[in-house]
Amino acid sequence: EVQLVQSGAEVKKPGESLKISCKVSGYNFASYWIGWVRQMPGKGLEWMGLVFPTNSDTKYRASFQGQVTISADKSISTVYLQWSSLKASDTAMYYCVRHARHDFDFWGQGTLVTVSS
Amino acid sequence: DIQMTQSPSSLSASVGDRVTITCQASQDISNYLNWYQQKPGKAPKLLIYDASNLEAGVPSRFSGSGSGTDFTFTISSLQPEDIATYYCQQYDNLPGFTFGPGTKVDI
Repeated sequence: EVQLVQSGAEVKKPGESLKISCKVSGYNFASYWIGWVRQMPGKGLEWMGLVFPTNSDTKYRASFQGQVTISADKSISTVYLQWSSLKASDTAMYYCVRHARHDFDFWGQGTLVTVSS
Repeated sequence: DIQMTQSPSSLSASVGDRVTITCQASQDISNYLNWYQQKPGKAPKLLIYDASNLEAGVPSRFSGSGSGTDFTFTISSLQPEDIATYYCQQYDNLPGFTFGPGTKVDI
């Protein structure tokens, strides 16, 4: 059974750093791109970027380039999304997704990130 | 960037009704159009890929059609468990993947 299990909710202050995770199981981790999707409170879905675990090749939506870093650790089948300096506007639910064809066929349960002073 | 519009933004229908949602792309996207269902407090779920293909395990009352710039998503007979927000999503080489604004379906 394919599963994407994300780390738990986080509450941070502006300016702090954060790294959230997505542990994958049930298929060959190296075979599929894994990405991240943001959903701000009460809003729609925004694709942020993705990583290919085999070689850590990454691609970002232009608006997220330089704002976040996506990485992968093949040894533990885990993908990460990190910020070096959080802003209040980063408050959102973040989903990891498996890329299949040109769609997202499996989703993590979501990690709620709250940034507040 | 390719822009996606969805209509209506919300709708209310009765159990058993046929429900149709449309999604329009600002330029030709071939059949690179997918549909997702998001129930309150849950992660989205893929229902239809490549415009008209039903994802495994998804009930057959869901269907999709279209190509180019105009796409349609249909629930043939609305069920209480179909209360959700539905999103279309397109793929473009740059900037990648874009979702429509969503359609909230109520009973």
